Amino acid sequence: IAGITQAPTSQILAAGRRMTLRCTQDMRHNAMYWYRQDLGLGLRLIHYSNTAGTTGKGEVPDGYSVSRANTDDFPLTLASAVPSQTSVYFCASSQASGSDEQFFGPGTRLTVL
Amino acid sequence: EDQVTQSPEALRLQEGESSSLNCSYTVSGLRGLFWYRQDPGKGPEFLFTLYSAGEEKEKERLKATLTKKESFLHITAPKPEDSATYLCAVPTLGNQAGTALIFGKGTTLSVSS
Repeated sequence: IAGITQAPTSQILAAGRRMTLRCTQDMRHNAMYWYRQDLGLGLRLIHYSNTAGTTGKGEVPDGYSVSRANTDDFPLTLASAVPSQTSVYFCASSQASGSDEQFFGPGTRLTVL
Repeated sequence: EDQVTQSPEALRLQEGESSSLNCSYTVSGLRGLFWYRQDPGKGPEFLFTLYSAGEEKEKERLKATLTKKESFLHITAPKPEDSATYLCAVPTLGNQAGTALIFGKGTTLSVSS
């Protein structure tokens, strides 16, 4: 079934630990995105990639890094997790950046203690 | 500053009681407005894209309309399975054109039988 997969589904992490959230899409979309969703704040863009090999910063990039080695995968890394990074993280993709609709994965619920 | 505001925050309806959700936006040069549905614990699910004032799109009991300043999601004769959070979003010029979606905080719809 075509779509976006994210792993893990949920994770509890000690502060200071390194964590990578995985995202894979099989739709051959060029653009991919990472959002975090927090109660009362809605969805906010962390990082994006318009095409393989390029990345850019979104609204809330501090403490996160991404890479885009190929079209399908877009991992998000927390180098040293802090409690304020407790959130639900969604990966999304679109055929191209711009005005194309974005399709979302099921999310990763991360708790940093 | 580009902005998206949704109202009301929450809406409770009886089955069959039609209503509308509002999404007002302020953006430099609209390049589309997107509606999503989000069920608890899941990622947003794409519903509609509207590109120009006067445009309308329908899907089952939902109809989305667009003016120069706002969009409405009309729900006709809703059923309990329409209960969800409805999000609207617009593309905004980020570091590169069209790389960011700004989301409203959503309207949580509850339909009781």
